[in-house]
Formats: sequence, C-alpha cells, structure tokens
Amino acid sequence: LAKTTQPISMDSYEGQEVNITCSHNNIATNDYITWYQQFPSQGPRFIIQGYKTKVTNEVASLFIPADRKSSTLSLPRVSLSDTAVYYCLVGDRDAGNMLTFGGGTRLMVKP
Amino acid sequence: DTGVSQDPRHKITKRGQNVTFRCDPISEHNRLYWYRQTLGQGPEFLTYFQNEAQLEKSRLLSDRFSAERPKGSFSTLEIQRTEQGDSAMYLCASSERGINQETQYFGPGTRLLVL
Repeated sequence: LAKTTQPISMDSYEGQEVNITCSHNNIATNDYITWYQQFPSQGPRFIIQGYKTKVTNEVASLFIPADRKSSTLSLPRVSLSDTAVYYCLVGDRDAGNMLTFGGGTRLMVKP
Repeated sequence: DTGVSQDPRHKITKRGQNVTFRCDPISEHNRLYWYRQTLGQGPEFLTYFQNEAQLEKSRLLSDRFSAERPKGSFSTLEIQRTEQGDSAMYLCASSERGINQETQYFGPGTRLLVL
C-alpha cells in the first residue's frame, strides 16, 4: 500500500482558503486518492476522492498533478467548524481492502 | 449521521472482563469493516466482511478478538479478557462495491476504557 505523508498540523483563520498537501510517491496505477475528515469523538467522514487532474464537490476541491505523486485538498473559505483532522489515503480501486490511515493533518481554524 | 450505528457509544470495563460491541451498517451495504483508533492516531484496520464472510484480518486482531456478521447485516466485535492496552475507539464502517473505489461510511464509534 502506498504510504502518505502530510503535515502534522496547520493553522488558518476564518474565511481563508486552506490547502493541505499530501505526498504519495509510491502511488500505484490503480490507486485512487481519498480524503477523510474527522471531528473529535466521531468517525471519519468522506470528503472527496479523485484519480487525476481536478475534482470538485460542494465541500472541497482536490488537485492531482500529472505524476500523481502528490495531491492537494483545498477548502475554500474555512469556518471554525472546519477545525478537524484531515486524512489523505491512497488505495487500490479494487474495493474490499482496508483503508490505511496515517496520522492526518490537524487543522485549527481561528476566528 | 452516516447511517451506520454503533452500540454502545461508551464502555468502561475492568481488566479481564469480556466486552461485545455491535455495528449496524447501512442496509444495502454488503461490506463491513472494523477499525481501532487510539488517541492522536489514525484508525487502524482490524477486520473486514463481505456479506457474512470474514475475508481479512489484521495481525492486530489477536486471538482475544473475534468478529462475526452472522446474516450479513449487523456485526459484533468481542474482546475477551480485556487488557488496558485495548482501551481505544472502535470504529465500524460499511460500503457498497461500486464502479469506482468504494466510499466507506463510518459510524460514531464505541469508546472503550479498560481499568
């Protein structure tokens, strides 16, 4: 399984755009990139998933360069409620395998 | 609320006791996963079911741990002879095989404290 590396923590202020970058140098051809969000005392929540280029949904955007060795989760105009841990995961598209979580990035949004 | 429920939400037990947790996945999901999460760490995979078949187990799942999904719906995770090191959040997730990589939906977890 591809290993991921992401910053341990980040600080931001309300209304700013936050970009969290994840490195996955050993990503395999069949691997997708998925981001989860976790609030304290809750289970992780799916945010976004992509394979290449750019993916956007109502919550975030995911930018994946051509070599796919990294990806960037972009959160537009964060609010205090976006304070959470964000996990970057890569995994084979052949579902049924477990998710391998790293330590995640603790995002603190300040007023 | 993802639609995955877990019971109980909290459990305090004494070392050496047995505990059992229950997970009710989203009804149409045929895949069910158990993870364990300790403070400050990401969730760690424990085991996975497709319908009623247990297809994969992590080496973290010692012989004191057992999981079942008897009818391919709800699942139970039992820990026998609990140890203080078993204190953690136990998370359940479910998914449905799709064309693209599946999305796993997590429950709220069961927080276990072994005294």
